[in-house]
Amino acid sequence: AQTVTQSQPEMSVQEAETVTLSCTYDTSESNYYLFWYKQPPSRQMILVIRQEAYKQQNATENRFSVNFQKAAKSFSLKISDSQLGDTAMYFCAFTGGYNKLIFGAGTRLAVHP
Amino acid sequence: DAGVTQSPTHLIKTRGQQVTLRCSPKSGHDTVSWYQQALGQGPQFIFQYYEEEERQRGNFPDRFSGHQFPNYSSELNVNALLLGDSALYLCASSLGTLAGVQETQYFGPGTRLLVL
Repeated sequence: AQTVTQSQPEMSVQEAETVTLSCTYDTSESNYYLFWYKQPPSRQMILVIRQEAYKQQNATENRFSVNFQKAAKSFSLKISDSQLGDTAMYFCAFTGGYNKLIFGAGTRLAVHP
Repeated sequence: DAGVTQSPTHLIKTRGQQVTLRCSPKSGHDTVSWYQQALGQGPQFIFQYYEEEERQRGNFPDRFSGHQFPNYSSELNVNALLLGDSALYLCASSLGTLAGVQETQYFGPGTRLLVL
């Protein structure tokens, strides 16, 4: 079965600090992509970062970076210099085959001033 | 550059009724996927349309059906609504490719469906 596990239902961080969100997944596919999406209270699902499983180098996007451990099937998201606008639900997801996204249950992140 | 749009934003129906939700993909995209997001959960894949055909389907009953039009826009239809169908319905668009090549999906704002 293809599954995604996000073990931290809720996290909080102070503004300007760093926080890491955890994600593990299970798939028998050899070619897949991994994603972190952000869903603020407005509901719009926004792409944060994407990682190709065949690439060893971890993806980075401004203040967002990932730690991709393929053998361990782990894909964590690090947010540096946290901002109030980072407050949202964060979903880890992966695809296989025809682009079917498999999502985790999400981590609710609160950034406090 | 217009992003993914969905209509309506909110909808209230009663059990047993039928509903149609609509989605227009991001400019240049030809593939539309639909997801159901129950309150407090991650989205669940319903189905995907490419070249006006259902290419892949998740674990949803036949009450859920869809359609893709020549302009790549799509509809999601749900018949015989149940209370459990209350959810946020998300549409995502991407550029269709051969199997094994993954393209990023971009999401619309969703339609909130409440079944009473």
